[in-house]
Amino acid sequence: QLVLTQSPSASASLGASVNLTCTLTSGHINYAIAWHQQQPEKGPRYLMRLNSDGSHIKGDGIPDRFSGSSSGAERYLTISSLQSEDEADYYCHSWGTGIWVFGGGTKLTVL
Amino acid sequence: EVQLVESGGGLVKPGGSLRLSCAASGFSFNNYAMNWVRQAPGKGLEWVSSITSTSNYIYYADSVKGRFTISRDNAKNSLYLQMNRLRVEDTAVYYCAKGTISAASSGGDYWGQGTLVTVSS
Repeated sequence: QLVLTQSPSASASLGASVNLTCTLTSGHINYAIAWHQQQPEKGPRYLMRLNSDGSHIKGDGIPDRFSGSSSGAERYLTISSLQSEDEADYYCHSWGTGIWVFGGGTKLTVL
Repeated sequence: EVQLVESGGGLVKPGGSLRLSCAASGFSFNNYAMNWVRQAPGKGLEWVSSITSTSNYIYYADSVKGRFTISRDNAKNSLYLQMNRLRVEDTAVYYCAKGTISAASSGGDYWGQGTLVTVSS
């Protein structure tokens, strides 16, 4: 069964960088994922698709400050030069035939 | 510009019914799978249902199977979710999300703003 695990919270200072992690279950380490951002009181926004080899395709208008990488079962979202508007919930998301699975989300606080 | 606009949410009593709609624009609706995802108050995202571009394959989460029905009208660029026998635990914001290919075995790349469904007596 595909399960995505995220830390519930993370924090970093304005202007700094932060890495968010999503861990796939051991039988699914070759799966691609997507990262989505949800700012307070808004709908989710697609950030990127991230493949197991670390290649990624970003959504329309997503700044270069957002990037992704992969290592084994881990999928990472790196946000550099943190801005106040980056304070949001971040969800990883993967899929199989006829099923979507989401991680529990990481609440990012920008200090 | 891709736009997804949900409507049809509201307050309904347990056991009642509601039909959600999602109006799509800015892309070739008939070429992409579509999905419903919900978010209970203060909780994370939960997948509800997916439908392929031609409606030939439909999938549901176990939590809604037998109660909810997803459908689409490609001529009207619209996605629907018929929700019957609603329960208090169905209370959530419901989002429609565009798939990235015609099959349901794909991620999603655009979201609507959501519509709130409240099930309460």
